[in-house]
Formats: sequence, C-alpha cells, structure tokens
Amino acid sequence: AQRVTQPEKLLSVFKGAPVELKCNYSYSGSPELFWYVQYSRQRLQLLLRHISRESIKGFTADLNKGETSFHLKKPFAQEEDSAMYYCALSGQAGGTSYGKLTFGQGTILTVHP
Amino acid sequence: EPEVTQTPSHQVTQMGQEVILRCVPISNHLYFYWYRQILGQKVEFLVSFYNNEISEKSEIFDDQFSVERPDGSNFTLKIRSTKLEDSAMYFCASKGGLAGTGELFFGEGSRLTVL
Repeated sequence: AQRVTQPEKLLSVFKGAPVELKCNYSYSGSPELFWYVQYSRQRLQLLLRHISRESIKGFTADLNKGETSFHLKKPFAQEEDSAMYYCALSGQAGGTSYGKLTFGQGTILTVHP
Repeated sequence: EPEVTQTPSHQVTQMGQEVILRCVPISNHLYFYWYRQILGQKVEFLVSFYNNEISEKSEIFDDQFSVERPDGSNFTLKIRSTKLEDSAMYFCASKGGLAGTGELFFGEGSRLTVL
C-alpha cells in the first residue's frame, strides 16, 4: 500500500521567512515523489518532482529514503506562495506504470506581508 | 499551452439521478484519470484508463461508476445513481505517452452537489 502524510493542515509564515512543508511517505518499492500546488481558483499544477532535482520558484525538495520524507523548502517565502500544497507519490518509478498518484492531505500555506 | 478541460464546472442533481462529467484531455496524451475530492478531505484516486480500458481502479470506483472514451477526444465519468456522499469535486487528469514517470495535467474540476 502507498500512503502520503502531510502532518500540517495549515502553515503560516511572514514574508521573507523560511518555510518547510513536511511530507512523509510509505511505499515498499521505489517511489516517484511530486509536489503539486493549487493557487486560489486555479487547477492543480506540478511544482516539482524529485527526479528532476531542480528548484522551481525558489522551492526545493530532497527525497530522503532513510527517513521516507520529501519535505518542500523555500528559504525566503513570498506572499504569492500562498496556496494549497499537495505532496504526491507515484508508486512505480520507471518501467511500466499507469502513473496513479496518491496524494497527501494538503497543506494550506499562508504568507503574511 | 494545451490544457485539460472539464464540463460542467458545477452540477447540482437529485439523489438517484445519473450524472455524466466530461473531460477533454490534452490531445496527444495516452493515460487518463479521474480523481475526486470531498470537501475538506484529500484528493483521492478513482480510476486510470489506458488503451481504451480501465488500467486500475480504487475501491471507491464501484459498479455505480463507469468511464468511457467515446470518440477519441472526450473522456467521461458516469455515476449511474448518485448518492449524497458522491458530492465532491471531480478532477480529470491526463499524462503523456511515456510509461512510468511523468507529470499529470489536471483539469479545473467539476463540482458535483447531490441533494
């Protein structure tokens, strides 16, 4: 079974402060991890995924297999980062997969001016 | 930029009625999905569809649900006899041709309210 846990439903920070959105997963195989973001009144969209190892909008996330975590970090939060963030897992990286995603509960990030 | 489109954006129906939610995936994509999100809860996988058949479905996707790709462009979700607990936001998603990894592109969702 695959499971994704985002322990914080709400996270508030001030502009310029560092932010970390936590994500832990449970999966027996080799997962592919994603962060999706949903801005107000917009669709879910991919923010980043672990295999690309890139920084998007200043956000980074490192897959830690030992701790089964994929926390999302940004050193200096901006007001426009306010959104709902979902951590998601696809159970099979590479090979044959239909790409089903299992989502965490989501974290609402609010960045105050 | 190509997008997944969904109609209707909001549908209100009576319990026991049939509902069809429509999606137009991105044109060269091969994998299609339906997810739902009950208010205040997580986004849940319902079904995936590839090569004109269901490839995987969740326990939520019971006999009341069905999916179709009737004409090569639309991808529909039908709920045969709606229940109150079917009230949710339903998201369609599609993915490109490479098996395994890849980004899912989501539609804006169809909100279903069952009275």
